[in-house]
Amino acid sequence: DADVTQTPRNRITKTGKRIMLECSQTKGHDRMYWYRQDPGLGLQLIYYSFDVKDINKGEISDGYSVSRQAQAKFSLSLESAIPNQTALYFCATSGPGLAGYNEQFFGPGTRLTVL
Amino acid sequence: KNQVEQSPQSLIILEGKNCTLQCNYTVSPFSNLRWYKQDTGRGPVSLTIMTFSENTKSNGRYTATLDADTKQSSLHITASQLSDSASYICVVSAGSGYALNFGKGTSLLVTP
Repeated sequence: DADVTQTPRNRITKTGKRIMLECSQTKGHDRMYWYRQDPGLGLQLIYYSFDVKDINKGEISDGYSVSRQAQAKFSLSLESAIPNQTALYFCATSGPGLAGYNEQFFGPGTRLTVL
Repeated sequence: KNQVEQSPQSLIILEGKNCTLQCNYTVSPFSNLRWYKQDTGRGPVSLTIMTFSENTKSNGRYTATLDADTKQSSLHITASQLSDSASYICVVSAGSGYALNFGKGTSLLVTP
């Protein structure tokens, strides 16, 4: 987990506020991802980036935007937060892992509460 | 629609006992299947990964099996420890492998 860091770890905000979640990685991977996790649901992909100039929407991109500032940094923004965006947010990178297969490495998560 | 279903939703076992978690999927075209362990408040960590041609894969006390014909996988935990208490997530990759389909997870509690 230390190779992928997220800030802040916890955030409480109000409806309508703009929020930015930041992710940094030291694994040297080109591919980075943002997911959200809701209680009782599987992780859902918000956005992904295969390199600095490549940004792609995931399953649930509405209400979110991202910025890939560098290979090591990938930020997620909520332009105008709403209560149903309350969730646990994970950043991940992908690269060689178990037995040489590509796998995803997750950060520790950011718990966001929108009041 | 690609789907990954896990059972049971939650499980409580005594320390030292074995348990088996199930995963059924309808992902196509299949690329690989992974099991992740997610401790409370932490990000998921990979336990095993299996491709179409692999039937079983072990990682210490964790053994995963895959039946690609029936599209089923299981994760067997042997001699459970208190530190095994976590959520176990089955993840199936489709196509080129970067598109992941996540199960909702099985929440395991190991009690003394």
